[in-house]
Amino acid sequence: NAGVTQTPKFQVLKTGQSMTLQCAQDMNHNSMYWYRQDPGMGLRLIYYSASEGTTDKGEVPNGYNVSRLNKREFSLRLESAAPSQTSVYFCASSRTTGMGGTDTQYFGPGTRLTVL
Amino acid sequence: AQKITQTQPGMFVQEKEAVTLDCTYDTSDQSYGLFWYKQPSSGEMIFLIYQGSYDEQNATEGRYSLNFQKARKSANLVISASQLGDSAMYFCAMRFSGGYQKVTFGIGTKLQVIP
Repeated sequence: NAGVTQTPKFQVLKTGQSMTLQCAQDMNHNSMYWYRQDPGMGLRLIYYSASEGTTDKGEVPNGYNVSRLNKREFSLRLESAAPSQTSVYFCASSRTTGMGGTDTQYFGPGTRLTVL
Repeated sequence: AQKITQTQPGMFVQEKEAVTLDCTYDTSDQSYGLFWYKQPSSGEMIFLIYQGSYDEQNATEGRYSLNFQKARKSANLVISASQLGDSAMYFCAMRFSGGYQKVTFGIGTKLQVIP
């Protein structure tokens, strides 16, 4: 059981370049999430997918798009990277978007992205 | 608005001593969940412990316990018998029933365990 995996681990982009961050989970979870982590700000939700076939905006969606490719995979795309998108990106998954302890979110190892 | 507050940017604790990391929250929801995560210097987010708003008993997981005081809206993490490997950032988080079921995170507390 790998849990939640993310690729790549590190990436450097130039302003205006595009890239896709990949995320996969093998826990048979229905819900998946993308967060960004910036110093002094905790984690902020970018997009989430409550179940296969659905995606919704979080609190900081501008400049990003997502695709829930299947139940296992949820990708995050930066169409035209900006220096403000320099951050650490975490993918997470949970059984559902319910309230119980069994709906705890489990995180991937993160992707450290730098936009020059 | 839902909010999580962690007021201790940094904490020190002697190895083998207990330490309490503070967390207060603000919500008008009756149903919510509280979580603590650990982030070591390697960067991954590790789930530690969960407390539901209707749980009457404080949650415990090994050396971790959650001191849940619902009336005061606090959910402090207690780590007993600190170990050097406990040195990390600790994030308190809350999940509430309104909105889009997201988890709101605090800004974290950096714990350093001194040998």
